[in-house]
Amino acid sequence: GIQVEQSPPDLILQEGANSTLRCNFSDSVNNLQWFHQNPWGQLINLFYIPSGTKQNGRLSATTVATERYSLLYISSSQTTDSGVYFCAVDNQGGKLIFGQGTELSVKP
Amino acid sequence: DVKVTQSSRYLVKRTGEKVFLECVQDMDHENMFWYRQDPGLGLRLIYFSYDVKMKEKGDIPEGYSVSREKKERFSLILESASTNQTSMYLCASSLLGTTDTQYFGPGTRLTVL
Repeated sequence: GIQVEQSPPDLILQEGANSTLRCNFSDSVNNLQWFHQNPWGQLINLFYIPSGTKQNGRLSATTVATERYSLLYISSSQTTDSGVYFCAVDNQGGKLIFGQGTELSVKP
Repeated sequence: DVKVTQSSRYLVKRTGEKVFLECVQDMDHENMFWYRQDPGLGLRLIYFSYDVKMKEKGDIPEGYSVSREKKERFSLILESASTNQTSMYLCASSLLGTTDTQYFGPGTRLTVL
């Protein structure tokens, strides 16, 4: 089945810094989503982005489907950005396959 | 806003007990999903449902069953709980299946003693 790899696994930032999270996938996809899981376990959908670029405030995402990767950019990070960021894909199997996540810690 | 609620935030059960985890969504979504999340393994799909009374196995259905009698409610059942089913259980819903945004509930942390 399709493989999803995220990097880095862990990231520690000082408040105000920028960061880039990466998601590589092993096959073509028709769905790619980025999620943020806060320290209390709640998963929030950030982007639905099978291709192209989207922006939402300090967050933006780019998916290059032909090269099988997606990037999540966080600018001017805040402590509330802490948590785990997941990438999930579907390649017409009818199921989302999640990566292992990137655990982000933003220090004040 | 879409709201997905789960019946319990924390649950402690004994080995061999029958356990019900309930999930309710309020946006008339067709599709509902049950995942479990374990450290180092990420989220794994247990079962999903694309319509009332319909269900499909996910990647790890063994030891679980589900019920969807009403569109807004999707139940996960552990027929005889075992310690290896200690985990965080997450429910999600979407309007159009996996080619659509999924909305998650707050999760139920289940401990089986």
